[in-house]
Amino acid sequence: AQSVAQPEDQVNVAEGNPLTVKCTYSVSGNPYLFWYVQYPNRGLQFLLKYITGDNLVKGSYGFEAEFNKSQTSFHLKKPSALVSDSALYFCAVSPNTGGFKTIFGAGTRLFVKA
Amino acid sequence: GAVVSQHPSWVICKSGTSVKIECRSLDFQATTMFWYRQFPKQSLMLMATSNEGSKATYEQGVEKDKFLINHASLTLSTLTVTSAHPEDSSFYICSALGVGNTQYFGPGTRLTVL
Repeated sequence: AQSVAQPEDQVNVAEGNPLTVKCTYSVSGNPYLFWYVQYPNRGLQFLLKYITGDNLVKGSYGFEAEFNKSQTSFHLKKPSALVSDSALYFCAVSPNTGGFKTIFGAGTRLFVKA
Repeated sequence: GAVVSQHPSWVICKSGTSVKIECRSLDFQATTMFWYRQFPKQSLMLMATSNEGSKATYEQGVEKDKFLINHASLTLSTLTVTSAHPEDSSFYICSALGVGNTQYFGPGTRLTVL
């Protein structure tokens, strides 16, 4: 079955430190990969996506993500965390097999401490 | 660009009444829109895929007659929760499909059924 795993329910980081939010997937073929962020009582905001090309994708608010095909991972990273980065982050995968369905991970809550 | 609005942002209704939620793509046309439901501290659950000019495709377990979806134009999809009950209380989020399978999300609608 196709799935997306975010192994950490919560990630705690001190402000100014680098952060990583992990994502692995089990989807056949060459899927599109996404990261979204959700602030309290709001919809999801698009951060970045990988379709093809360079394995390091840069997105909004200084975030980037690294695609690793052999490990089927797409970890979200930021060199220096801000308190305002505290939010819920979702990894998502679109199988790219003719349909448009997107499979979302369970979400990882990021807390950045001042 | 790629802004999606939802209206209302929150609604409280009595049990047995119907509630309509609108989802609009403001600066692009969306042939396909999605409706999700999100429970507290959980990921998004896809309810249905809404296609302009045709019937919506519902996910398994979602009652078609209870959650009526209409996608009458390329910028508007509506979700009507009919005969709402307290168990229908939730956060409903829509998204519109853009280029490269990227979904652009609305800010969500919090429904509370008394």
